[in-house]
Amino acid sequence: KNQVEQSPQSLIILEGKNCTLQCNYTVSPFSNLRWYKQDTGRGPVSLTIMTFSENTKSNGRYTATLDADTKQSSLHITASQLSDSASYICVVSAEKLIWGAGTKLIIKP
Amino acid sequence: NAGVTQTPKFQVLKTGQSMTLQCAQDMNHEYMSWYRQDPGMGLRLIHYSVGAGITDQGEVPNGYNVSRSTTEDFPLRLLSAAPSQTSVYFCASSLGGPASYNEQFFGPGTRLTVL
Repeated sequence: KNQVEQSPQSLIILEGKNCTLQCNYTVSPFSNLRWYKQDTGRGPVSLTIMTFSENTKSNGRYTATLDADTKQSSLHITASQLSDSASYICVVSAEKLIWGAGTKLIIKP
Repeated sequence: NAGVTQTPKFQVLKTGQSMTLQCAQDMNHEYMSWYRQDPGMGLRLIHYSVGAGITDQGEVPNGYNVSRSTTEDFPLRLLSAAPSQTSVYFCASSLGGPASYNEQFFGPGTRLTVL
């Protein structure tokens, strides 16, 4: 069964700290892996898209990694800001998009 | 560019009522889709379209209809609303489908409550 599991479910960190969010998937055949940011009450916004041949991809303070062998991805946020408070969703593309339930990140001042 | 727009932002219906959620995009994207988002769950695909005149079912299509008469518009119709359809609905568009490398753009969502 195609599944995307994210951990932790929620995370609270202090402003300025770094954090890493995890995504494990069992999806076949694999096309690409996406990370989205979803602010409360808004639609998801794409952060990165990676194919199996891409190990790392950055978007400003966001860096996604992909290990296609172990079927794991991570999203690292550097020097967090209050505006990073959001849900971060991992999505794996096969013939369709398989959505994770997301990690809710709260940045405290 | 307005991107993907959705109306209304909020809607309250009584059980059995019907309504149409509107979605439009101005990016000339061929691929459009409707999702619902429920607490603690990932987004679930309701219906999608690969171009004008072509629609297909996603994983949770029951109780919903769609049509795609133009590239720009992709309305979602609730035929007879049920409390189980209480959810947040998102419309999305992209140049290509899921297997493509194309970014998917989302609308702001419609929060629907069925009493």
